[in-house]
Amino acid sequence: TQLLEQSPQFLSIQEGENLTVYCNSSSVFSSLQWYRQEPGEGPVLLVTVVTGGEVKKLKRLTFQFGDARKDSSLHITAAQPGDTGLYLCAPNTGTASKLTFGTGTRLQVTL
Amino acid sequence: DAGVIQSPRHEVTEMGQEVTLRCKPISGHNSLFWYRQTMMRGLELLIYFNNNVPIDDSGMPEDRFSAKMPNASFSTLKIQPSEPRDSAVYFCASSQQGQPNNEQFFGPGTRLTVL
Repeated sequence: TQLLEQSPQFLSIQEGENLTVYCNSSSVFSSLQWYRQEPGEGPVLLVTVVTGGEVKKLKRLTFQFGDARKDSSLHITAAQPGDTGLYLCAPNTGTASKLTFGTGTRLQVTL
Repeated sequence: DAGVIQSPRHEVTEMGQEVTLRCKPISGHNSLFWYRQTMMRGLELLIYFNNNVPIDDSGMPEDRFSAKMPNASFSTLKIQPSEPRDSAVYFCASSQQGQPNNEQFFGPGTRLTVL
């Protein structure tokens, strides 16, 4: 059973600050997805990373896949209250369709 | 287009009662997933179907849980009898296998409270 760890578990920051959250494992993944879940809703896909070392940007969000494809990070620049939510990483181990979700980082951005 | 539809959105029941959760996936999607989310355990995959066939039910906690997908546009998750520890938010998600990223589209969830 793979061990998937997301850190930090909770993060409360003020608008305008930068932050980084992490997704780590001892297993190698074929790809990895990041989802954001807002209160009262289901998770929504933000990005998929596939290649080791890959960096993808989505406006103020920067996603990186580790060279060895065992870990990933999400960096948010100049956080806004709309970034508030639960950020989940979901590696794909190669089994078609099936994802395993991390426990997530709960982010709160205040004015 | 309508997204994944789940009903009911909220369910409060007493221990021992049967609970049935319903899901309508996005039209054209051929994979359907049932998840359970709690603060303690996060988002856990219970079971998933490809082309209406159950592929992996290793996440189903006990025999009290059962899921069916009689056709491509409908699935149910049943708990019988329900217990307080089943209280959680249950999500249904669907995807189109073979599409880029195998993105899963989640419904709004059913919040189940078992008293």
